[in-house]
Formats: sequence, structure tokens, C-alpha cells
Amino acid sequence: DGGITQSPKYLFRKEGQNVTLSCEQNLNHDAMYWYRQDPGQGLRLIYYSQIVNDFQKGDIAEGYSVSREKKESFPLTVTSAQKNPTAFYLCASSPSAGRNTEAFFGQGTRLTVV
Amino acid sequence: GEDVEQSLFLSVREGDSSVINCTYTDSSSTYLYWYKQEPGAGLQLLTYIFSNMDMKQDQRLTVLLNKKDKHLSLRIADTQTGDSAIYFCAPSGAGGTSYGKLTFGQGTILTVHP
Repeated sequence: DGGITQSPKYLFRKEGQNVTLSCEQNLNHDAMYWYRQDPGQGLRLIYYSQIVNDFQKGDIAEGYSVSREKKESFPLTVTSAQKNPTAFYLCASSPSAGRNTEAFFGQGTRLTVV
Repeated sequence: GEDVEQSLFLSVREGDSSVINCTYTDSSSTYLYWYKQEPGAGLQLLTYIFSNMDMKQDQRLTVLLNKKDKHLSLRIADTQTGDSAIYFCAPSGAGGTSYGKLTFGQGTILTVHP
């Protein structure tokens, strides 16, 4: 089945450690996105990529990094510079970065700093 | 950038209609989406409206768009307990720095009482 897969579903990190969240899609979509969700704040865009080997900062990119070496994969690294990383992280993809940007979402990764 | 506002909470009785409202600032949005999020899961597309329409009906869902006031609403007829979820409004960016980005409102938590 085609879809977008995030792993792991739950992740625990010690303070001061970097951690990488995985996002893979087999929908042949060009564009991929990372969002952070906190209660009462909706979804905030961290990074997005419109094409392989290219990505742009979203609204809250500080303390995060990404790569887009393959069309199918868009991993997100939460670095130790991110002051408040505990949140629910959602990855999405869309067919293109063009006019119709319907997005398909993964099931999310809940990151907790312990 | 785009600002999107939604009220945070809505509570209705089973069988009643629910109306979820959304206001946005970017008048160049070409597609306006409604997504549903169930607890601990990703978002799923419910419906969308193109900016040159003022109404779209899809079974129990009716979307109304007032482009002049930049106001979007989602009406759910005969609301069921399974409709309890968070609903997000997402106007798509049409150009410039918003190209290809989806900006979400805070989400409206719909609670349906038996």
C-alpha cells in the first residue's frame, strides 16, 4: 500500500542528546514537510522540501536540521540546541509544491525529553 | 505569512449540526482544506474548496467560503460521536514565500455528547 511512514511512534531522549526522526513515503511525492504540534497551538512548520537536495526553513526551524538526499526520505534531527523538544511531530508529503497542495500525513512521533 | 484563526472548542449533542469557523489573512489562497485529526494520529483530509467557489457539499459536510471576509466554515450535519476529533483549517499558499506551504489554524476540538 502507498503511504507515508514515521518511526518510531514514541521516542525518549535525554537532555543534551541529538535524536533523528524518520519519515519515508512511497507515494512518489515531490514535496515533504515537518510539523510540530503542541496543545492549543495547532501545527507549526519546521522545515519543508519541494524537491530532492533542496529544503527551506519553516516558521520554527531553530534547533532542528533536515536532509533530503532521496525523494522518499526526509529525516528530521532534533538537536540539543532545541530548548523545548517535547512535542508531537508530524511528517507530511504532497504531490508537488504547486497549486494543489493536499497533504498526506504520517501517524506522528511523540518525542519526550527525560 | 498566512495567519489562520479558529476557535479552540466546540461541544454539540449527537444528531445536532456542528459549525466550525476559520478566518485567514492571505487572500491569494487558491485551495482551502479541512483536515480531521483523531487522538494520537496524523491528519486526514476531509474536504476542500477551490477559491472561486462559495459552497461545496459532500454528504454530511458543507463548506462555505466568504472570500471577501476571508472566512471559511465547515458544517457537519447529524453529528455523530465518531466525529469527535480536532478539525484544522488550512489555506494553501498561492505564491511568493508561501508557495507550496500549508499553514494550519490552531485546530478546533469537537466534542460530541450522546
